[in-house]
Amino acid sequence: GDSVTQMEGPVTLSEEACLTINCTYTATGYPSLFWYVQYPGEGLQLLLKATKADDKGSNKGFEATYRKETTSFHLEKGSVQVSDSAVYFCALSKGNFNKFYFGSGTKLNVKP
Amino acid sequence: GAGVSQSPSNKVTEKGKDVELRCDPISGHTALYWYRQSLGQGLEFLIYFQGNSAPDKSGLPSDRFSAERTGGSVSTLTIQRTQQEDSAVYLCASSGSGGAIREAQYFGPGTRLTVL
Repeated sequence: GDSVTQMEGPVTLSEEACLTINCTYTATGYPSLFWYVQYPGEGLQLLLKATKADDKGSNKGFEATYRKETTSFHLEKGSVQVSDSAVYFCALSKGNFNKFYFGSGTKLNVKP
Repeated sequence: GAGVSQSPSNKVTEKGKDVELRCDPISGHTALYWYRQSLGQGLEFLIYFQGNSAPDKSGLPSDRFSAERTGGSVSTLTIQRTQQEDSAVYLCASSGSGGAIREAQYFGPGTRLTVL
């Protein structure tokens, strides 16, 4: 069945380090791909999305490229800040009814 | 415009009692989803409504859980005879109808349920 797999956390980085959070998916057809972020004590917010192969989603310095050949949508940021500390969820949607599948989430801790 | 709203924001109940959680989706969104998030865990899909189609109930953990969506808008998640393991944050999300370009889900703030 359709699914999303994320790298296990937590990921701990120093401020200004480079970030990559791996996400791979299994789906037939042509899903759309998303990253959501959940800051401490808050709800989930859409971070970025890509709707077709080779699209790059970007927001707040984060980027992810839809790679159909590797079925991946890795989240990257060149220089993380303490304020980026949060849980990041990868997700896909597909089908005429837009059903979503979420990964298990990856916690990011950024130290000053 | 207004986002997804949920009520109550917090609910404390005694084991064995029934609870109702409410979700108001974004106006015009045809799809509505319920998830459960236990402390420090990911999202557990519960149920999904899309327009007038039969809901996808495949994620409901037991027959104590049920949900309705009236008039294609407001939804109520009901948990009967609550158990301590039902304690979690219950999240509601809505999205457009999909189609050629999949739309994002927009989440409400959640209802934190504590079963004593």
